[in-house]
Amino acid sequence: EPEVTQTPSHQVTQMGQEVILRCVPISNHLYFYWYRQILGQKVEFLVSFYNNEISEKSEIFDDQFSVERPDGSNFTLKIRSTKLEDSAMYFCASSEDRSSGRNYNEQFFGPGTRLTVL
Amino acid sequence: AQSVTQLGSHVSVSEGALVLLRCNYSSSVPPYLFWYVQYPNQGLQLLLKYTSAATLVKGINGFEAEFKKSETSFHLTKPSAHMSDAAEYFCAVSEPRGTGGFKTIFGAGTRLFVKA
Repeated sequence: EPEVTQTPSHQVTQMGQEVILRCVPISNHLYFYWYRQILGQKVEFLVSFYNNEISEKSEIFDDQFSVERPDGSNFTLKIRSTKLEDSAMYFCASSEDRSSGRNYNEQFFGPGTRLTVL
Repeated sequence: AQSVTQLGSHVSVSEGALVLLRCNYSSSVPPYLFWYVQYPNQGLQLLLKYTSAATLVKGINGFEAEFKKSETSFHLTKPSAHMSDAAEYFCAVSEPRGTGGFKTIFGAGTRLFVKA
């Protein structure tokens, strides 16, 4: 069964460094998302991406964050200058186009990347 | 605006007892509703989803949930708890967006403890 994959599973970085989190969405999906979960807290929406542009972003998604689909398979989240409070689990998700079938209303989540900022 | 409220950050049941995890939502449009389970240091696993078909939804591992529009609720139940059910459970509401995608709002989560 197709699934969303994310690399790395765990990333440790120094405060102020740039990190890129990578995701490979399910191949026929057209909508891509990033969510984050600070340890012990709920999952929060960061951004959605469609047709090579951001379609929606939350107030968390400030200028330090950017997303990109550099090729036909990868979807990345870049944090330009990491802060301690960026330490969290980051989940990528993808969903189908509405015309694709009955699962269009479900977002498929990846296993997450745990980011630790020291 | 969407919101999800999970009543009880911690629920403790005995093995074999009924599990009831409560979820209330608010949404300006007919919502899609989901329950996810998260085991320690792992990702989100979809338990079940409501997408405007049957109001009683059956999921994996013996869980089910009932959508009650009048109560704006989507409570999760399991008749008989098993030790392996101990985990964090998240209720989520997803609204379609104009672009065709979705935005999902998660509840704060309920940690389920199962006593032997």
